[in-house]
Amino acid sequence: GAGVSQSPSNKVTEKGKDVELRCDPISGHTALYWYRQRLGQGLEFLIYFQGNSAPDKSGLPSDRFSAERTGESVSTLTIQRTQQEDSAVYLCASSSPSGRVAGELFFGEGSRLTVL
Amino acid sequence: GDSVTQMEGPVTLSEEAFLTINCTYTATGYPSLFWYVQYPGEGLQLLLKATKADDKGSNKGFEATYRKETTSFHLEKGSVQVSDSAVYFCALSGTNSGYALNFGKGTSLLVTP
Repeated sequence: GAGVSQSPSNKVTEKGKDVELRCDPISGHTALYWYRQRLGQGLEFLIYFQGNSAPDKSGLPSDRFSAERTGESVSTLTIQRTQQEDSAVYLCASSSPSGRVAGELFFGEGSRLTVL
Repeated sequence: GDSVTQMEGPVTLSEEAFLTINCTYTATGYPSLFWYVQYPGEGLQLLLKATKADDKGSNKGFEATYRKETTSFHLEKGSVQVSDSAVYFCALSGTNSGYALNFGKGTSLLVTP
Protein backbone atom coordinates (compact mmCIF):
# COMPACT_ATOMS: atom_id res chain seq x y z
CA GLY A 1 0.00 0.00 0.00
CA ALA A 2 0.89 3.62 -0.18
CA GLY A 3 1.06 4.23 3.57
CA VAL A 4 2.07 2.55 6.80
CA SER A 5 -0.37 -0.20 7.64
CA GLN A 6 -1.00 -1.51 11.15
CA SER A 7 -3.07 -4.44 12.32
CA PRO A 8 -5.20 -5.10 14.17
CA SER A 9 -6.75 -1.66 14.42
CA ASN A 10 -8.45 -2.68 17.64
CA LYS A 11 -7.61 -5.48 20.05
CA VAL A 12 -9.38 -6.34 23.29
CA THR A 13 -7.67 -8.98 25.40
CA GLU A 14 -7.76 -10.39 28.87
CA LYS A 15 -5.06 -9.69 31.41
CA GLY A 16 -2.29 -12.25 31.17
CA LYS A 17 -2.74 -13.04 27.48
CA ASP A 18 -0.07 -12.40 24.85
CA VAL A 19 -0.71 -10.03 21.93
CA GLU A 20 1.03 -9.35 18.64
CA LEU A 21 0.79 -6.08 16.81
CA ARG A 22 1.91 -5.83 13.22
CA CYS A 23 3.32 -2.98 11.16
CA ASP A 24 3.84 -2.86 7.39
CA PRO A 25 6.04 0.14 6.60
CA ILE A 26 6.18 2.05 3.36
CA SER A 27 8.18 0.12 0.77
CA GLY A 28 11.80 1.22 0.72
CA HIS A 29 11.73 2.80 4.17
CA THR A 30 14.70 1.47 6.09
CA ALA A 31 13.87 2.98 9.48
CA LEU A 32 10.91 1.86 11.56
CA TYR A 33 9.74 3.17 14.93
CA TRP A 34 7.25 2.02 17.54
CA TYR A 35 5.57 4.48 19.89
CA ARG A 36 2.94 4.09 22.58
CA GLN A 37 0.26 6.62 23.41
CA ARG A 38 -1.62 6.19 26.62
CA LEU A 39 -4.84 8.11 27.17
CA GLY A 40 -4.07 11.76 27.84
CA GLN A 41 -0.35 11.27 27.35
CA GLY A 42 2.14 12.10 24.65
CA LEU A 43 3.79 9.62 22.35
CA GLU A 44 6.26 7.42 24.21
CA PHE A 45 9.17 6.07 22.13
CA LEU A 46 9.54 2.31 22.43
CA ILE A 47 12.04 1.02 19.88
CA TYR A 48 13.71 1.84 16.61
CA PHE A 49 14.84 -0.43 13.76
CA GLN A 50 17.38 0.34 11.08
CA GLY A 51 16.87 -2.49 8.62
CA ASN A 52 16.26 -5.52 10.82
CA SER A 53 18.62 -4.33 13.54
CA ALA A 54 17.36 -2.60 16.67
CA PRO A 55 20.18 -0.34 17.91
CA ASP A 56 18.04 1.19 20.64
CA LYS A 57 15.67 -0.86 22.78
CA SER A 58 15.87 1.45 25.76
CA GLY A 59 12.27 2.58 25.47
CA LEU A 60 10.73 -0.86 25.89
CA PRO A 61 8.83 -0.65 29.22
CA SER A 62 9.69 -4.13 30.48
CA ASP A 63 10.94 -7.53 29.42
CA ARG A 64 7.37 -8.45 28.55
CA PHE A 65 7.77 -6.28 25.47
CA SER A 66 9.74 -7.42 22.43
CA ALA A 67 9.88 -6.51 18.78
CA GLU A 68 11.36 -7.90 15.63
CA ARG A 69 11.61 -6.91 12.03
CA THR A 70 12.09 -9.01 8.93
CA GLY A 71 14.58 -7.36 6.60
CA GLU A 72 13.35 -3.92 5.74
CA SER A 73 9.75 -4.98 5.89
CA VAL A 74 7.17 -6.07 8.43
CA SER A 75 7.69 -5.52 12.14
CA THR A 76 5.91 -7.23 15.01
CA LEU A 77 5.57 -5.86 18.52
CA THR A 78 4.78 -8.59 21.03
CA ILE A 79 3.49 -8.00 24.53
CA GLN A 80 3.53 -11.04 26.79
CA ARG A 81 1.33 -11.53 29.85
CA THR A 82 -0.51 -8.28 29.19
CA GLN A 83 -1.38 -5.98 32.08
CA GLN A 84 -4.05 -3.32 32.29
CA GLU A 85 -1.41 -0.57 32.16
CA ASP A 86 -0.48 -1.84 28.68
CA SER A 87 -3.78 -0.44 27.38
CA ALA A 88 -2.84 2.22 24.84
CA VAL A 89 -2.64 3.04 21.16
CA TYR A 90 0.52 1.58 19.65
CA LEU A 91 1.80 3.62 16.73
CA CYS A 92 4.24 2.56 14.07
CA ALA A 93 6.16 4.94 11.83
CA SER A 94 8.64 4.48 9.02
CA SER A 95 11.12 6.73 7.31
CA SER A 96 13.41 6.76 4.32
CA PRO A 97 17.16 7.23 4.89
CA SER A 98 17.00 10.92 4.03
CA GLY A 99 13.68 11.38 5.73
CA ARG A 100 15.02 9.85 8.93
CA VAL A 101 17.63 12.58 9.26
CA ALA A 102 15.09 15.21 8.29
CA GLY A 103 12.66 13.99 10.94
CA GLU A 104 9.96 13.08 8.47
CA LEU A 105 8.22 10.04 9.86
CA PHE A 106 5.18 8.47 8.24
CA PHE A 107 2.75 7.07 10.78
CA GLY A 108 0.14 4.36 10.64
CA GLU A 109 -3.26 4.83 12.22
CA GLY A 110 -2.28 2.78 15.21
CA SER A 111 -3.43 -0.35 17.01
CA ARG A 112 -5.68 0.32 19.99
CA LEU A 113 -5.07 -2.25 22.70
CA THR A 114 -7.48 -2.68 25.59
CA VAL A 115 -6.54 -5.07 28.39
CA LEU A 116 -9.47 -6.06 30.57
CA GLY B 1 16.59 14.47 28.84
CA ASP B 2 15.12 16.21 25.86
CA SER B 3 11.45 17.07 26.20
CA VAL B 4 8.62 19.11 24.74
CA THR B 5 5.83 20.89 26.59
CA GLN B 6 2.78 22.14 24.75
CA MET B 7 -0.37 23.84 25.89
CA GLU B 8 -3.18 21.61 26.97
CA GLY B 9 -6.41 21.52 25.07
CA PRO B 10 -8.97 21.23 23.96
CA VAL B 11 -8.92 24.52 22.11
CA THR B 12 -12.21 25.59 20.58
CA LEU B 13 -12.29 28.43 18.05
CA SER B 14 -14.75 29.89 15.62
CA GLU B 15 -13.96 29.73 11.94
CA GLU B 16 -11.61 32.53 10.79
CA ALA B 17 -10.24 33.07 14.30
CA PHE B 18 -6.51 33.39 15.01
CA LEU B 19 -4.79 30.31 16.37
CA THR B 20 -1.77 30.00 18.63
CA ILE B 21 -0.66 26.72 20.17
CA ASN B 22 2.30 27.17 22.48
CA CYS B 23 5.25 24.79 22.51
CA THR B 24 8.47 25.02 24.51
CA TYR B 25 11.33 22.58 24.57
CA THR B 26 14.25 21.45 26.69
CA ALA B 27 17.20 19.97 24.86
CA THR B 28 20.95 19.62 24.84
CA GLY B 29 22.51 20.69 21.61
CA TYR B 30 20.51 22.07 18.73
CA PRO B 31 17.53 19.90 17.88
CA SER B 32 15.26 20.20 14.88
CA LEU B 33 11.68 21.11 15.75
CA PHE B 34 8.46 19.85 14.21
CA TRP B 35 4.71 20.15 14.26
CA TYR B 36 2.76 17.02 13.39
CA VAL B 37 -1.00 16.91 12.90
CA GLN B 38 -3.46 14.05 13.30
CA TYR B 39 -6.79 14.48 11.54
CA PRO B 40 -9.70 12.32 12.72
CA GLY B 41 -9.28 8.74 11.56
CA GLU B 42 -5.83 9.31 10.11
CA GLY B 43 -2.21 8.78 11.15
CA LEU B 44 0.06 11.58 12.32
CA GLN B 45 1.58 13.55 9.48
CA LEU B 46 4.28 16.17 9.31
CA LEU B 47 2.85 19.69 9.14
CA LEU B 48 6.02 21.81 9.24
CA LYS B 49 9.53 21.87 10.60
CA ALA B 50 12.52 24.10 11.37
CA THR B 51 16.07 22.90 11.67
CA LYS B 52 17.92 25.86 13.20
CA ALA B 53 17.40 29.00 15.22
CA ASP B 54 15.29 31.73 13.58
CA ASP B 55 14.08 29.35 10.86
CA LYS B 56 10.38 29.64 10.09
CA GLY B 57 8.49 26.55 9.01
CA SER B 58 5.25 27.02 7.11
CA ASN B 59 2.61 24.89 5.43
CA LYS B 60 -1.14 25.13 4.72
CA GLY B 61 -1.25 28.61 6.26
CA PHE B 62 0.37 27.47 9.50
CA GLU B 63 3.66 28.96 10.67
CA ALA B 64 6.10 28.38 13.51
CA THR B 65 9.43 30.10 14.22
CA TYR B 66 12.34 28.38 15.99
CA ARG B 67 13.18 30.71 18.90
CA LYS B 68 16.36 29.64 20.62
CA GLU B 69 16.32 32.51 23.14
CA THR B 70 12.91 31.47 24.46
CA THR B 71 13.25 27.75 23.57
CA SER B 72 9.90 27.94 21.83
CA PHE B 73 8.24 26.84 18.60
CA HIS B 74 4.70 28.18 18.78
CA LEU B 75 2.25 27.21 16.04
CA GLU B 76 0.14 30.00 14.51
CA LYS B 77 -2.49 30.42 11.84
CA GLY B 78 -4.17 33.65 10.96
CA SER B 79 -7.59 32.29 10.03
CA VAL B 80 -8.59 28.76 10.95
CA GLN B 81 -11.07 26.63 9.06
CA VAL B 82 -13.35 23.83 10.17
CA SER B 83 -11.07 21.43 8.29
CA ASP B 84 -8.20 22.36 10.63
CA SER B 85 -9.91 20.50 13.47
CA ALA B 86 -7.34 17.93 14.54
CA VAL B 87 -4.80 17.10 17.22
CA TYR B 88 -1.49 18.96 16.91
CA PHE B 89 1.78 17.58 18.27
CA CYS B 90 4.99 19.50 18.81
CA ALA B 91 8.16 17.39 18.57
CA LEU B 92 11.92 17.62 18.56
CA SER B 93 14.64 15.46 17.10
CA GLY B 94 18.13 14.92 18.38
CA THR B 95 20.82 12.77 16.94
CA ASN B 96 20.33 9.66 19.05
CA SER B 97 17.80 6.83 18.84
CA GLY B 98 17.93 6.87 15.08
CA TYR B 99 16.56 10.40 15.03
CA ALA B 100 13.43 9.26 16.87
CA LEU B 101 11.22 12.20 17.71
CA ASN B 102 10.24 13.31 21.22
CA PHE B 103 6.61 14.40 21.16
CA GLY B 104 4.50 16.60 23.35
CA LYS B 105 1.13 15.41 24.64
CA GLY B 106 -0.80 16.93 21.77
CA THR B 107 -3.35 19.74 21.64
CA SER B 108 -6.83 19.07 20.35
CA LEU B 109 -8.29 21.85 18.20
CA LEU B 110 -11.97 22.11 17.34
CA VAL B 111 -13.05 24.78 14.88
CA THR B 112 -16.76 25.53 14.75
CA PRO B 113 -18.62 27.14 11.82
